[in-house]
Amino acid sequence: DQQVKQNSPSLSVQEGRISILNCDYTNSMFDYFLWYKKYPAEGPTFLISISSIKDKNEDGRFTVFLNKSAKHLSLHIVPSQPGDSAVYFCAASAGSGGSNYKLTFGKGTLLTVNP
Amino acid sequence: GAVVSQHPSRVICKSGTSVKIECRSLDFQATTMFWYRQFPKKSLMLMATSNEGSKATYEQGVEKDKFLINHASLTLSTLTVTSAHPEDSSFYICSARKGQGVGGYTFGSGTRLTVV
Repeated sequence: DQQVKQNSPSLSVQEGRISILNCDYTNSMFDYFLWYKKYPAEGPTFLISISSIKDKNEDGRFTVFLNKSAKHLSLHIVPSQPGDSAVYFCAASAGSGGSNYKLTFGKGTLLTVNP
Repeated sequence: GAVVSQHPSRVICKSGTSVKIECRSLDFQATTMFWYRQFPKKSLMLMATSNEGSKATYEQGVEKDKFLINHASLTLSTLTVTSAHPEDSSFYICSARKGQGVGGYTFGSGTRLTVV
């Protein structure tokens, strides 16, 4: 049973346009969400996160939107650049008061930004 | 920034042998480290939580006698794949958290294990 779902295995966009990566979750206990970027044969790199008390968080070209009622979040990258081409993982954590903060990951979406 | 070093990046071993993977937090102390496994086109699956000075906490379905975890110091956790078999071939990634808060995770660069 996959608690974090990224239903699009891949996405291709033109340089300069907006990239929108989607993520759905089923566990209502999740209260913190993160996006990671991963290149082949490397570990994930943290991009941006959002707490369940917010519905939007912005950092430069990256904005994450959270819709708690729909259990859906999305990552917007604008403008997209060829260097953004990578696999993007959505992750979620439950119980901010816990000491371990285990992350549950989606399967990832391969983003390709074409010049 | 927080840096996590993972070694080796790539290892090929014979079936039946054991392989040790190291995860080090270079510029911070980590009381908790995490070990993940990634299958091709699959998400990162948490295998176990490594706790400094105590036993690791394994996720359901992960054989603790197969995947030995030792967290002997605040900067080093090791994962040993014992009696490796071809089905253990995978990409293993560790992570550590600097400071408080769920957003402080830093990941190692991963280890590609191939068992022949």
